[in-house]
Amino acid sequence: GESVGLHLPTLSVQEGDNSIINCAYSNSASDYFIWYKQESGKGPQFIIDIRSNMDKRQGQRVTVLLNKTVKHLSLQIAATQPGDSAVYFCAEPWFPIKAAGNKLTFGGGTRVLVKP
Amino acid sequence: NAGVTQTPKFQVLKTGQSMTLQCAQDMNHNSMYWYRQDPGMGLRLIYYSASEGTTDKGEVPNGYNVSRLNKREFSLRLESAAPSQTSVYFCASSALDRGLVTNEKLFFGSGTQLSVL
Repeated sequence: GESVGLHLPTLSVQEGDNSIINCAYSNSASDYFIWYKQESGKGPQFIIDIRSNMDKRQGQRVTVLLNKTVKHLSLQIAATQPGDSAVYFCAEPWFPIKAAGNKLTFGGGTRVLVKP
Repeated sequence: NAGVTQTPKFQVLKTGQSMTLQCAQDMNHNSMYWYRQDPGMGLRLIYYSASEGTTDKGEVPNGYNVSRLNKREFSLRLESAAPSQTSVYFCASSALDRGLVTNEKLFFGSGTQLSVL
């Protein structure tokens, strides 16, 4: 999901179901992507990353898929739990990434609401 | 291990007032960043510092100044606050790994909620 101003895309999920959050990126030369989770009142936390030489990467209950052909990322959360309720951002490097520092461009985010 | 610490957590200013947001990290990171986050929008980079002694503009630098005081501390200053600067401000840091694989993970503070009336 990308930002549409004040209306943050929202995904409602039943506890125990799987969640899929989507993200489109713009720069075909991007070679690294990160997913962040932001809980209410807190700063973003790193979840998982993936480099462009991979199509899939798995973490604990999370999987990131990368489709470079259509410039699309997805984050899959298995067996969604109440603690997964948060806003999820994808981030891509803001070129020139290797010039100095790590400058990331963040998508607008998707809010995940877990229903008990 | 505190990570990234920001102060204050909340602040209300009147238009035209000035203030400095403080940020410190204890992870020995080289790079530090200031972002703002507006309701329903993603994070936008204001300024960053790739290493001690250097600072550069990000996407939305107008109305802000920064100081990289030392390796640990990176402050953000609003010289004359405007209502458009009402936002949540996040400081972040990263360890830029100059080896074969670049470590590009950012670690964020808990944010400063600023309201300008």
